[in-house]
Amino acid sequence: QKEVEQNSGPLSVPEGAIASLNCTYSDRGSQSFFWYRQYSGKSPELIMSIYSNGDKEDGRFTAQLNKASQYVSLLIRDSQPSDSATYLCAVNYSGNTPLVFGKGTRLSVIA
Amino acid sequence: DAGITQSPRHKVTETGTPVTLRCHQTENHRYMYWYRQDPGHGLRLIHYSYGVKDTDKGEVSDGYSVSRSKTEDFLLTLESATSSQTSVYFCAISVGGRDGYTFGSGTRLTVV
Repeated sequence: QKEVEQNSGPLSVPEGAIASLNCTYSDRGSQSFFWYRQYSGKSPELIMSIYSNGDKEDGRFTAQLNKASQYVSLLIRDSQPSDSATYLCAVNYSGNTPLVFGKGTRLSVIA
Repeated sequence: DAGITQSPRHKVTETGTPVTLRCHQTENHRYMYWYRQDPGHGLRLIHYSYGVKDTDKGEVSDGYSVSRSKTEDFLLTLESATSSQTSVYFCAISVGGRDGYTFGSGTRLTVV
């Protein structure tokens, strides 16, 4: 059974701080990793993808991948109240098999 | 926009009735997926399609069937709706396995 684990939260951070969201996965052969943001009552929205070990930055977002330790993380710098949402981690285990999603971490940014 | 629409957006139906949800895309993507999302369970895959008439089961496929007779449409049918199928249903599309998904707006289904 392929699994993706995330802390459910809520994770509360003050406005302007760095929010750190973590995700672990069960298969060392996994190939592609994604972070989605989901506002309450809305559909998930892709915000980051990462395929290789290391960091990938896009604006205030940084995705970090460590395949040896089987974890992927998302850092949000200068957190804003508008970043308050549930963040879903998703993993592609091989080829064209469907993504496996974690249950999500709820982030609350306090003004 | 991403070119994926789901219909209906909301539906209330009675136990035992058949229900069909529709997902329509204008992106010509090969892969289409149906997920359900429930509190405490996250997104769970029901069925997916990797081409016209090519479909496969996901982890929660019991009680559901799908059809894809053309590239742009992927239908999800609840043969005889039960209260346990009350959920939010999301359709998603992707170019391929290494690509992220684009989700539709969702269908909120209530079975009474």
